[in-house]
Amino acid sequence: DAGVIQSPRHEVTEMGQEVTLRCKPISGHNSLFWYRQTMMRGLELLIYFNNNVPIDDSGMPEDRFSAKMPNASFSTLKIQPSEPRDSAVYFCASSPTDRAGNTIYFGEGSWLTVV
Amino acid sequence: DQQVKQNSPSLSVQEGRISILNCDYTNSMFDYFLWYKKYPAEGPTFLISISSIKDKNEDGRFTVFLNKSAKHLSLHIVPSQPGDSAVYFCAAANSGGYQKVTFGIGTKLQVIP
Repeated sequence: DAGVIQSPRHEVTEMGQEVTLRCKPISGHNSLFWYRQTMMRGLELLIYFNNNVPIDDSGMPEDRFSAKMPNASFSTLKIQPSEPRDSAVYFCASSPTDRAGNTIYFGEGSWLTVV
Repeated sequence: DQQVKQNSPSLSVQEGRISILNCDYTNSMFDYFLWYKKYPAEGPTFLISISSIKDKNEDGRFTVFLNKSAKHLSLHIVPSQPGDSAVYFCAAANSGGYQKVTFGIGTKLQVIP
């Protein structure tokens, strides 16, 4: 069974450019998460969707970040304009339900470098 | 402010010995705790969890201990194997809420053959 699929795996872009990261959650999972991993802050939750609806976006750093989930099988995280401090690994994850305690399944991550 | 703290960024252990990874939390609302393991270039994967109604949960070579009064948990790996070399993330959640899991910054474990 396919896991969470993310693209691109690696992205190098210039400061000021728009970056779009994509995610396909595990089929049947109704919760989707975007996390960012940095050395200093570890894994930070950026936004959480339940049944395609954004429930908690308090972790989104600023207005340059936006996320959408137009349907149950696709989500995007967009950074516009990108800045060097956005360089990190961005993980998409999904879970069967929205209840705490259910296992969260992570994708392999999108490595973003902004130069 | 880090609500889940892993104060040891790295740990080296000899193969066959015990690995002990520590984690502290500050939020009294957390009542469910998890450990995730991450290999390079891969996403984190679930390892083991514990509810606050327990003080110990064991799964094969992995045991998690919870000390609620001290707001401290630890992951024990016995015996340690080279394949256990990875980054281990401690995480916590409030089981009464939705899936808002708060992660620590991780501890990199190296098991030396």
